[in-house]
Amino acid sequence: NAGVTQTPKFQVLKTGQSMTLQCAQDMNHNSMYWYRQDPGMGLRLIYYSASEGTTDKGEVPNGYNVSRLNKREFSLRLESAAPSQTSVYFCASSEGVSSAQHFGDGTRLSIL
Amino acid sequence: GENVEQHPSTLSVQEGDSAVIKCTYSDSASNYFPWYKQELGKGPQLIIDIRSNVGEKKDQRIAVTLNKTAKHFSLHITETQPEDSAVYFCAASINFNKFYFGSGTKLNVKP
Repeated sequence: NAGVTQTPKFQVLKTGQSMTLQCAQDMNHNSMYWYRQDPGMGLRLIYYSASEGTTDKGEVPNGYNVSRLNKREFSLRLESAAPSQTSVYFCASSEGVSSAQHFGDGTRLSIL
Repeated sequence: GENVEQHPSTLSVQEGDSAVIKCTYSDSASNYFPWYKQELGKGPQLIIDIRSNVGEKKDQRIAVTLNKTAKHFSLHITETQPEDSAVYFCAASINFNKFYFGSGTKLNVKP
């Protein structure tokens, strides 16, 4: 079982460049999430999509945009990357109400 | 929004001993509390969860307790093994819409 697949696994960008992080799940889940993980801070929610066709802001949405392309795919875009966005990004999915989240293995993003 | 605090940040135990990690939350409306284990280079993996209508839940060597009045919940690992070494995160959620995570506990089990 693939579960939640994130691409790429690693990326280095220069300040001001743009990039899209991809996430796909094969569990037919309704809800999908994007988090960032910084040292000593746990995971913080950037955006989430409760169901296909809807997206909502989380705790730290500034500087990011998302697209729920279809039920399987949820992408995260950095339009103009900043060093403060250096982090590990995790995508997760869940069936929806009353169900736990399943995480991918992350994208490690460095912005110089 | 919800605020989740987790203690300790690091925990070192001898193999076979028990480990306890504690979390507190601020929003009394939170009703779902999962615990995740994260190994190096991997995403968090759910190990146990509890809902607000239950005070305790156990799964083999792992148990979680919830005190709604005090707004805290704890993870208990008994008979620890070296493979339990990882970073553990607690989280709180209101109706599964958003999840708020603690800052993590790095558990080291010494053989």
